[in-house]
Amino acid sequence: GESVGLHLPTLSVQEGDNSIINCAYSNSASDYFIWYKQESGKGPQFIIDIRSNMDKRQGQRVTVLLNKTVKHLSLQIAATQPGDSAVYFCAESYSGYALNFGKGTSLLVTP
Amino acid sequence: DADVTQTPRNRITKTGKRIMLECSQTKGHDRMYWYRQDPGLGLRLIYYSFDVKDINKGEISDGYSVSRQAQAKFSLSLESAIPNQTALYFCATSERQSTDTQYFGPGTRLTVL
Repeated sequence: GESVGLHLPTLSVQEGDNSIINCAYSNSASDYFIWYKQESGKGPQFIIDIRSNMDKRQGQRVTVLLNKTVKHLSLQIAATQPGDSAVYFCAESYSGYALNFGKGTSLLVTP
Repeated sequence: DADVTQTPRNRITKTGKRIMLECSQTKGHDRMYWYRQDPGLGLRLIYYSFDVKDINKGEISDGYSVSRQAQAKFSLSLESAIPNQTALYFCATSERQSTDTQYFGPGTRLTVL
C-alpha cells in the first residue's frame, strides 16, 4: 500500500457547487502559471494559464486567481460536474525555462 | 491528446533489462519532454530537448537516457531497469517559443519486477 505522506489532498464537493483548489508556489520570480487536469489513466490536460502581470483570468466555468504577494494560486470551478472529478496540478515556470509541478489535489464530485 | 502518442502503453519487465519508451508527436512542436509520475509526488522532469540537436538533463536523469531521432520523435531508455523505476511515464511537447504550455501524451505504465 501507499506510505503515509504520499496521499493526495482531496477536495470533496457536491454536484452543482463551486470548487476552489489551492496551490502554493515556491519561486517568487515565476512569471507563468498553469493548471492541468488529470483523469484516471490519462495524461495531464491543459485547463487554463495566467501570466504574472495578471491577477485573474477566466475561462469556460473556470477562473484562475494569482496572488503574488503570498505566492498563491487558485483554480475555481463553477457548477462542478461529475466529469470534473480528477486530479488537478498547478505548475509554475520562470522565463520559459521549465515547468515545476505541484503534487496535485484530488477533486471528488458527489451527486 | 491524440497528437502526442506513446508506445507501449503498458510494460512489465524484469530487473536488469533494457527498456525503451517511445514518443511521437504530430503537433510540429520543437520542444519535447519526458516526465515520471509517482503516487503523491506529482510530475518530475527526466530529460528535455529543445530541438533535434539539444538534449538536457532534468531533475531525475540518473538511470535514464534519451534520443531525439527527429523533430517528431523522442525516446526514453532505461539501460538497466530497477524496481524503483516502476512508475507512469509521460511525454510532453511545447512550441519553439516557450516551455510554457505543454501537451501531454497518454502515458506509459512501466512495472519493473
